[in-house]
Amino acid sequence: DTAVSQTPKYLVTQMGNDKSIKCEQNLGHDTMYWYKQDSKKFLKIMFSYNNKELIINETVPNRFSPKSPDKAHLNLHINSLELGDSAVYFCASSRRDEAFFGQGTRLTVV
Amino acid sequence: GQNIDQPTEMTATEGAIVQINCTYQTSGFNGLFWYQQHAGEAPTFLSYNVLDGLEEKGRFSSFLSRSKGYSYLLLKELQMKDSASYLCAVREPSGNTPLVFGKGTRLSVIA
Repeated sequence: DTAVSQTPKYLVTQMGNDKSIKCEQNLGHDTMYWYKQDSKKFLKIMFSYNNKELIINETVPNRFSPKSPDKAHLNLHINSLELGDSAVYFCASSRRDEAFFGQGTRLTVV
Repeated sequence: GQNIDQPTEMTATEGAIVQINCTYQTSGFNGLFWYQQHAGEAPTFLSYNVLDGLEEKGRFSSFLSRSKGYSYLLLKELQMKDSASYLCAVREPSGNTPLVFGKGTRLSVIA
């Protein structure tokens, strides 16, 4: 009965590959987010979706493309992976107040 | 834009009290949040302040002064398991905007 779940938990891949991270929430929230946490542990917003529509897209390379097939899912697809993409990616959801986070996906690009 | 500052690291002794400060400068404000994050885990919600004053929740309390752009998280009766990063975050007023996080304070609790 996990509230926000994302898969995979670990992802190791070579430069230039394309990969996806999946996220699902069963909280009935309208808004979902993707955050990136770098090696210095700084948690930075990448995208925000409300009712399947993109409402915020921070300065993120267009190699990153979020997709929301329905309110409960927000997937992140990354093309042409680069070394600098190595980080932990967190999915989160909220209704009005606090955000609930998934367990994170540690992406390592080699 | 948002600018959120908190100390990078703090160390405190088991059983003691520690206060982690957070200052923010934002173009709008709709609440201040504190999250705890253990190494290798997801951030988990601790507290939320939208009005001035102190919110108490067991060993943890959080204070807000909107006029000063200031908050603190107070942890009492520290335990070793409280060693973690503590993240201050602010939400802007319009709709379901995402939380904007500070860089976090890594707290080490020592015996």
